[in-house]
Amino acid sequence: RKEVEQDPGPFNVPEGATVAFNCTYSNSASQSFFWYRQDCRKEPKLLMSVYSSGNEDGRFTAQLNRASQYISLLIRDSKLSDSATYLCAVNELTGGGNKLTFGTGTQLKVEL
Amino acid sequence: DAMVIQNPRYQVTQFGKPVTLSCSQTLNHNVMYWYQQKSSQAPKLLFHYYDKDFNNEADTPDNFQSRRPNTSFCFLDIRSPGLGDAAMYLCATSRDGGAGGQPQHFGDGTRLSIL
Repeated sequence: RKEVEQDPGPFNVPEGATVAFNCTYSNSASQSFFWYRQDCRKEPKLLMSVYSSGNEDGRFTAQLNRASQYISLLIRDSKLSDSATYLCAVNELTGGGNKLTFGTGTQLKVEL
Repeated sequence: DAMVIQNPRYQVTQFGKPVTLSCSQTLNHNVMYWYQQKSSQAPKLLFHYYDKDFNNEADTPDNFQSRRPNTSFCFLDIRSPGLGDAAMYLCATSRDGGAGGQPQHFGDGTRLSIL
């Protein structure tokens, strides 16, 4: 099993739709999780941090299910500008400090 | 604005010719990371510095080296680039957050091409 798994998509949705992505992780000791947005040929940009059960920021909601070891990202009222790849990242504390393991990302295309 | 700056944005080098990529930060974060990202793949951690302590990933080829002369700067050296090393190289920084972890902040990346 991969450490962090995401459905690659693409998810093609109409503008205004609600869309949800899931991300599963294998390390049950992980305590913090992050969603990043990455546009084509650009760097990942932090979207949300999740340290407890979830987080909400405007149209974006992230939820953590520790028992099933997955986190989800919900986007409400999708905009054309939301089209991007969404990367899930799981934190692991090692002897050398914290490090993130990324999923391969889920591609979202919002259409008119 | 406080930020992570990578230079150059685009780098072209010849097969086997050493190349150095640079990263600087004004966030005063104590941890700096180097990732390699190929098309449609996840960013892959190469190594990171926790202050001055260097932490290499087990599967990072010996061809890749790094230097962190001070808190603000970190360099990625590729001693003999091969065609398979063509990728986007991303630098990131974070504060040490203990067991809770802190988000990482990325630079714009350097896109490396090998001729």
